[in-house]
Order: sequence, then C-alpha cells, then structure tokens
Amino acid sequence: QSALTQPASVSGSPGQSITISCSGTSSDIGNFHSVSWYQHHPGKAPKVIIYDINNRPSGISHRFSGSKSGNTASLDISGLQAEDEAIYFCVSYTSTNTYVFFGGGTQLTVL
Amino acid sequence: DVQLVESGGGLVQPGGSLRLSCEVTGFSLTDHEMNWVRQAPGKAMEWVAFISTDGRTQYYADSVKGRFTISKNSAQESLFLQMNSLRAEDTAVYHCARAVSDYVWGTFRYFDYWGQGSLVTVSS
Repeated sequence: QSALTQPASVSGSPGQSITISCSGTSSDIGNFHSVSWYQHHPGKAPKVIIYDINNRPSGISHRFSGSKSGNTASLDISGLQAEDEAIYFCVSYTSTNTYVFFGGGTQLTVL
Repeated sequence: DVQLVESGGGLVQPGGSLRLSCEVTGFSLTDHEMNWVRQAPGKAMEWVAFISTDGRTQYYADSVKGRFTISKNSAQESLFLQMNSLRAEDTAVYHCARAVSDYVWGTFRYFDYWGQGSLVTVSS
C-alpha cells in the first residue's frame, strides 16, 4: 500500500480529457507545495511532467496540467493522444521521517 | 544533454551483495543531490536512498537501512548503491534520480532526471 493513493487505471478516447487524482494527508500534499507528476513508459526513464503542483517543465505539452485541493492533487490531460498511454505517478515531499512519498501509479489507456 | 545510465544489476542469492552504478553525463554530481528509487514487480515506486551534493549526508529508507550504502565518485561522475544482505523483497528495478531542492529550505521539490533502471533479482 502506497503512502499516496491513486486510481489503478483510467481510460479515455483520443481527444477526450481525463483526470488522475493523488490523495495524501496534511503531512504531505495538504501542507506542502512540492507535488510532482511523472510519465513512465515501462522500460524507459520516468519523465517529470508537472512540478510544484502546477508547473510544466520546458518541452512538456500544455495538454498536461496540475492542481491541488486540500490533501488531494490532480493531473489533468486534455486532448488525449495515443502516445499519452503510460503509467502516471505522483510524488510529494513529506514532513514525516522519510524523504518523499510516491503514489501507486495509474495506468492510462487510450482507447 | 543530461543522461543517467544505471548498470550492475543481475541475479543474486539471498544474503548476497551487489553494487549498482549510475554514470551521469551533462552535469556534475557536486552540483546536485542524487537518489536511488526502486520499483518491485507490480508495486509502486519506493524511495531508497539520498546523497547530498558534498557527499557528507546520506538518508535511507527504513527497509534498507544498515544494509545499503549510497556513495559517489564525483571525479568519475558516478553514483553507487552498495547492497548487502539482500532479500527476496529487494527484487526490483533500481533507478537513479536527480533531485531539485528548495533553494531556501533545502527540502525536496521534484526529480528532474531519471535513469532507465537496472533490474536486481534476489532468488535462490
């Protein structure tokens, strides 16, 4: 069981929008700005797509956006494309006695 | 271009040892905090170990404390993970990851670069 809770899977058709949630507590997501999202195609290096809740690194499509409400962070992907099919996981700073918490990962399927 | 390439994984018996390496290019290990993160089959990513820019500070997950050691050779631009007393539950793909920290507080912000990973299998 991961410290941050994500749905195991989400799906959508090309062109549609989806949202992936990442639920934590007041010791991590709820009280800190350091929430990030990663795209991972198995066998390849994970890639950061959102950092500090809602910032996109250079080169990341505007179709990816992040937000936070209370203890839950969200990743929105609009205009789904086939190449978006991947595993997405969240990471948060935590004030507990470990370095960071990871979400369990969400498999995105583009139908 | 920034690149991180892991090596050294393989099959090892329970109780055995293995040393992972992460060769970096495009930046200096003296300028960035580095980590090892692993993913066991069918499970979530798990943070394993952290090393500071000057190499003097290391942190470990409770699950590996006392068995794993993170280190680096900045001259060779290589990060290492020495893994001793390996257990079946250490079976995972191990990634090295570069961290970005808060400029004021020094706390974690995000991982900006990762390697593809190296598979470690602990089995008899």
